[in-house]
Amino acid sequence: DIQMTQTPSILSASVGDRVTITCRASQSISSWLAWYQQKPGKAPKLLIYKASTLESGVPSRFSGSGSGTEFTLTISSLQPDDFATYYCQQYSGDYTFGQGTKLEIK
Amino acid sequence: QVQLQESGPGLVKPSQTLSLTCTVSGGSISSGNYYYSWIRQHPGKGLEWIGSISHSETTYYNPSLKSRVTISVDTSKNRFSLELTSVTTADTAVYYCARDIVRGLWSYWGQGALVTVSS
Repeated sequence: DIQMTQTPSILSASVGDRVTITCRASQSISSWLAWYQQKPGKAPKLLIYKASTLESGVPSRFSGSGSGTEFTLTISSLQPDDFATYYCQQYSGDYTFGQGTKLEIK
Repeated sequence: QVQLQESGPGLVKPSQTLSLTCTVSGGSISSGNYYYSWIRQHPGKGLEWIGSISHSETTYYNPSLKSRVTISVDTSKNRFSLELTSVTTADTAVYYCARDIVRGLWSYWGQGALVTVSS
């Protein structure tokens, strides 16, 4: 199966910062990569799919890039509501998630 | 707006079968080419896809769980179900049901149901 590895596991940042989370696939998944945001006690929320397409209603400060095996999620200017855990997920084969990146307030 | 709601026992004994149901509202399971899935999250951990089913009962399972998982659909009641046999404490998790917008891409989620495996 395809393994997904996210870095870092924890990211400390301040409101207004630009942050980037990286996700690597164990084999090429083309652009079949999604990003989810999860807050404590809530279900994940789809943010980005096909590596770079923003889901409807998601703020434009979120962006995704990459293809093949390396992908990034960037938040251009952190807002208080963005502090959460982020997961990448591949849907090229059987579906697998990264282990998550917790974005916390510095 | 499609909504999903999990239901079922919150406590299951080891070696028994975990059974959960997801009721879909705001849309018919029989319409559209969507897949309905179960995804779980161990306490404080990441997400694991369990399996998916279409309204025509086509199923796909995570190979690591396939031998113990059955997902079924009841279109007359607009719901689908999960059975996980021979559970151990490692199956303790929050279980989510979800509907995709494209296969493997989940835009609609239930609120999650915590299932604890304990004697």
